[in-house]
This record gives sequence, C-alpha cells and structure tokens, in this order.
Amino acid sequence: GENVEQHPSTLSVQEGDSAVIKCTYSDSASNYFPWYKQELGKRPQLIIDIRSNVGEKKDQRIAVTLNKTAKHFSLHITETQPEDSAVYFCAASRDTGFQKLVFGTGTRLLVSP
Amino acid sequence: DVKVTQSSRYLVKRTGEKVFLECVQDMDHENMFWYRQDPGLGLRLIYFSYDVKMKEKGDIPEGYSVSREKKERFSLILESASTNQTSMYLCASSPQGNGQPQHFGDGTRLSIL
Repeated sequence: GENVEQHPSTLSVQEGDSAVIKCTYSDSASNYFPWYKQELGKRPQLIIDIRSNVGEKKDQRIAVTLNKTAKHFSLHITETQPEDSAVYFCAASRDTGFQKLVFGTGTRLLVSP
Repeated sequence: DVKVTQSSRYLVKRTGEKVFLECVQDMDHENMFWYRQDPGLGLRLIYFSYDVKMKEKGDIPEGYSVSREKKERFSLILESASTNQTSMYLCASSPQGNGQPQHFGDGTRLSIL
C-alpha cells in the first residue's frame, strides 16, 4: 500500500522567512496530494491541493510543487507570520471513488515574531 | 459551510467498556472516515464508508467496528476498550469522486483508564 514520509518533524523560522516541508510517497498510482493545517486544539483544514497533471500550484503565500518522477511534493510558505504556526500534514491518494487518503506524520511549524 | 459534528470533545471510559463515538455531517456526503491521531504518527485511517450500510477497513481496524445506518451518521465502536486506544479520534466526510477535500470534525479526545 501507499506510504507517505514527511520531513522535517519540526521546523522553527523567524517571521518573514520562508518555510518548506517535504513529502515523499511510494505508490506511483497516487495522483491527488492535499495539504492540511491543524492549529492547536482545532480540526485539520485543507489549505491547498495538487493533482498529478500539474507541477505547481500557488495560493497567495502558499505554494505546492509536485515531482511525479521522483515521487515527492513540497509545501512552500513565504513571508511566514506567527499565525502560520501549526502542524501541517501532507497526504496522497489514488484516483478512486472513495478517495482513501494516506497521511504523513506531520510537521510542527513554529514562527517566531 | 460543511459541518462535521462529533458528539463529544472529551470522553473518559474504563477498560473493557463498550464505547460509541458518533459523527454527523450535514452536507449529504457519500464518504465518511474515522481516523485516530497520535503524536509522531499522524492521522491513521481506522474505517471508512462510501455509502449507507457499506464499510471498509482502513489501516488499523483491529479492536474497532463501525456502523452507518443513515447517510449523515457514522459511528465508531470500541467493542472492549483498552488503554492503548487512548487517543484523539477524528471523523471526516467528503463527496464522492476523485480529489474531493475531506472535511474534519473537531475530534474526540478519548481516555481509557
């Protein structure tokens, strides 16, 4: 089955710096890759996703890149702010009707003022 | 806005008890999921359902069962609770089809004493 590895497990940056979180996956048939943000004590929320027919997607300060050949994808956050502090999860799934996601183990991002 | 409601935020039960965790969604979603979240392990899929009365095992189904009698409600059952089932439990739902985002509930923090 699919296996998703996520690095680093913790990441500390200064406000205004960029942050990059990387994930690798094992199933070459996976073609949907969402990223979730979970603030302390709150539910995970989708922040951006990418499909395999696209190499990069951007939404304001957040971008995701996908390299299908190498089977890895990354989340990039520019001009980080303290409110970006949270745990971020990547996930991967195949193109199936019931979209079973396999999650990475999470990255705790801390943005210091 | 999609609403996924879990019946309890915090729950304390005793070893050997039968425990029911309830989840209700209000968006007529076909798919519903139960995850457990543990530090350093990310979100792991316990069971999912793609239709009423249908259920599929996830990655860690041992010690759990589920029930989906109505489309909007998905119940997780711990047949005989054990201390290693102490965890955060998250319910999610999504529409049918590839690349549909999963919407999460607030979670139930379950402690088994």
